[in-house]
Amino acid sequence: QSALTQPASVSGSPGQSITISCTGTSSDVGSYNLVSWYQQHPGKAPKLMIYEGSKRPSGVSNRFSGSKSGNTASLTISGLQAEDEADYYCCSYAGSSTLGVVFGGGTKLTVL
Amino acid sequence: QVQLVQSGAEVKKPGASVKVSCKASGYTFTGYYMHWVRQAPGQGLEWMGWINPNSGGTNYAQKFQGWVTMTRDTSISTAYMELSRLRSDDTAVYYCARERIRGRNWFDPWGQGTLVTVSS
Repeated sequence: QSALTQPASVSGSPGQSITISCTGTSSDVGSYNLVSWYQQHPGKAPKLMIYEGSKRPSGVSNRFSGSKSGNTASLTISGLQAEDEADYYCCSYAGSSTLGVVFGGGTKLTVL
Repeated sequence: QVQLVQSGAEVKKPGASVKVSCKASGYTFTGYYMHWVRQAPGQGLEWMGWINPNSGGTNYAQKFQGWVTMTRDTSISTAYMELSRLRSDDTAVYYCARERIRGRNWFDPWGQGTLVTVSS
């Protein structure tokens, strides 16, 4: 199972919006509405930010939103803040052949 | 509150085995699948597999089949991940993560991570 494809890095200024893409295949992202997104600060464990494509857990800012089109999922962060600077990983159910998940390679977000 | 607390860092020699523990608290341990994910230094996340704490049933990523063993002890609400025949490229932080809703494949919370260093 190949990893999902994410850009290695994105950047934005405070107050701006950015979008991180996550491209899979018709066997994973395209077939299920089961993409989740995780934020990871250096030396810390990943934190759930978005689940089932576009749902936000309690306590996560509404500046974070998720969507999907075809085989590509996206995470949008609006009103960028300094504390948003982190690595972001997408994750998708990989189908009945594996009964597991596949992660993206991760995207480093830099707030300029 | 819901919490996963993992065992401490380990240093192992190539060819040895390592067993990492993940103690759950704040919820019914047997009610949620536990997954294991690893992250090599400076690299991304890699899914290893899951265990059903209720039945003990497991499912491992193809890469790790025959090489990883996931178990649990329900009496102390603890899951374990044992990796054998360690190589230097198994040096990584190993995380346990609770699957919040069975079959939905998203994880919350995660353990704090356990650094396993494989070095001669």
